[in-house]
Amino acid sequence: GDSVTQTEGQVALSEEDFLTIHCNYSASGYPALFWYVQYPGEGPQFLFRASRDKEKGSSRGFEATYDKGTTSFHLRKASVQESDSAVYYCALGHNAGAKLTFGGGTRLTVRP
Amino acid sequence: EAAVTQSPRNKVTVTGGNVTLSCRQTNSHNYMYWYRQDTGHGLRLIHYSYGAGNLQIGDVPDGYKATRTTQEDFFLLLELASPSQTSLYFCASSATGTGDEQYFGPGTRLTVL
Repeated sequence: GDSVTQTEGQVALSEEDFLTIHCNYSASGYPALFWYVQYPGEGPQFLFRASRDKEKGSSRGFEATYDKGTTSFHLRKASVQESDSAVYYCALGHNAGAKLTFGGGTRLTVRP
Repeated sequence: EAAVTQSPRNKVTVTGGNVTLSCRQTNSHNYMYWYRQDTGHGLRLIHYSYGAGNLQIGDVPDGYKATRTTQEDFFLLLELASPSQTSLYFCASSATGTGDEQYFGPGTRLTVL
């Protein structure tokens, strides 16, 4: 079945560092790809999506590019802030139906 | 902005107990979902629905029932709770299906002793 793999379980950075969180997927066709962010004590929030090869999604300084060749959708941000500390989830939307498959999540901690 | 609320926010029960988790959304969304969140597993879909009276099986349905009574209300039922069902449960809603943004509630923390 479809699956999403996030390589890093935890990432620790200092403010103004560059962020990369790796996301790889396994699915047939062209699934929709998502990033969600979850702050402590809250439910996940939609960050952005991409639906086609080479499409870039972006929001709040974060971005990711859909790459069907490498089946990846890596999250990047040029300069992180302490307020970016949260858990980030990559997710895949199935071609038929309403289900989302989530990766295991990556906890980002940014030191001031 | 869509509003999704859940009750209770915290629940403690004993093994074999009967638990109902409630979810309400107020943005007239068609789809509603129940997930569980566990460390190392991320979010896993239990059940979902695309309208009142409809129920679809998710990826981890064993031990759970669900019922969508109205467009706004979606309930998750644990009729014989087990310690393995100790988890953080999230409800979500979306206007349509594939490719659509899901709005999540604040979660219910369930502990089964």
